[in-house]
This record gives sequence, C-alpha cells and structure tokens, in this order.
Amino acid sequence: DAKTTQPTSMDCAEGRAANLPCNHSTISGNEYVYWYRQIHSQGPQYIIHGLKNNETNEMASLIITEDRKSSTLILPHATLRDTAVYYCIVRVQIYNQGGKLIFGQGTELSVKP
Amino acid sequence: DAGVIQSPRHEVTEMGQEVTLRCKPISGHDYLFWYRQTMMRGLELLIYFNNNVPIDDSGMPEDRFSAKMPNASFSTLKIQPSEPRDSAVYFCASSFSFGTETQYFGPGTRLLVL
Repeated sequence: DAKTTQPTSMDCAEGRAANLPCNHSTISGNEYVYWYRQIHSQGPQYIIHGLKNNETNEMASLIITEDRKSSTLILPHATLRDTAVYYCIVRVQIYNQGGKLIFGQGTELSVKP
Repeated sequence: DAGVIQSPRHEVTEMGQEVTLRCKPISGHDYLFWYRQTMMRGLELLIYFNNNVPIDDSGMPEDRFSAKMPNASFSTLKIQPSEPRDSAVYFCASSFSFGTETQYFGPGTRLLVL
C-alpha cells in the first residue's frame, strides 16, 4: 500500500501558485519523497524529489517539514497545461535493490482560467 | 534521445488470444520497469529488470503474464491467454540506476480485451 495521503482533488486559478499537500507520517529516515505527475493519457512525468531539505527546480519547489511527516509541492505560476494528477511517493528502500515507486491515488489538480 | 518507446500504442484483441507488448528503454539505462494502470487499482508495478535480469516480479498478477528482456534495448510483456480483466494501460519505464535516479515513462500501450 502507498505510504502517503493526498487530497483527491484541488482547483487552482491560472497564474496563481498551486500548493499540493502530502502526508507521509510513517516515512523512514532514509526514504525520499518523490513527486510525479500524469497528464491525461500520458505516462507519469518526474517533477522533483527530496530527503530533508527544501528543493527547487525549473518545474516546482518541494517543501518538507522538519519532522518529515508531510510535504508540499508548489507550482509557482500554474498554467492550464499543469492540469494533471499529481502523485506524492515515498521511495521504499530495499537493501541492495534500491527503491521501488509505489503510486497512490494522487491529487487531481484542475487549473482554471 | 527519443525517450522510452512502446509498441503498439493501442491493442484490441479477443479473449484467449496472446498479447505481446514491447518496450525500448532509454539508451544507457540499466533498469527497466513494467507498470499497469486501471481505474480500479491505479498504477501498479508488475516487474522490473536490472541489466536484463528480472529482479522482482512480485507484482505480476498470475502465470498468464510473463516478461523478458533479451538485451539492454528491448523488453516484452506477454499475456497468454488474455482475459477482459487484463484491459488496462501498460507503461514501461527506465532509469539509469535504482538509487535516487528518476524513472522515465513511455507513452503506454492501451490494451482492450473483448
């Protein structure tokens, strides 16, 4: 089972920041938080990942709380093309095998004009 | 790079027929993953390979499913015999390594079993 909890759906106005929350209260110390998104009819697309510190790239920012039990993905200026299902994933680490991605149900983000 | 390539993009078949899905990973990637996505179960990992060797097939639903990776640039997922409940979108993904490297997904194959 997925180790994360996300709201089922969210709306955001075009041009505004989209803040997508994720709870992962049982995360272990060596597990990373990953975010992927899936635009309708396409394969999932990597957005960003982090362990403890906040991270930023050209797509988004990831804010992880100090206790690491929750995180927020921020799309600073949402566009209509950001409408997608966003998955928050805790990367399960398996000794000598790296980590598998376990996808939950995700948050369906609708960006509206 | 062309990204992960999957074929066919769409497949319609009748129950009982054999179905073969194909995947070409990104060149240089040594991990390959097969996923299945349905409305009911979401996105599930079926099996993954490292350097052409199957590492974990615990997600394969039953013996009707089999996957092979004969070389670093090609993998197949076969269903024999197919059943209507196998209807889903099947994704292939690849990654350079399995630590914290990201997985790159293909466009998927939409399978409909009648």
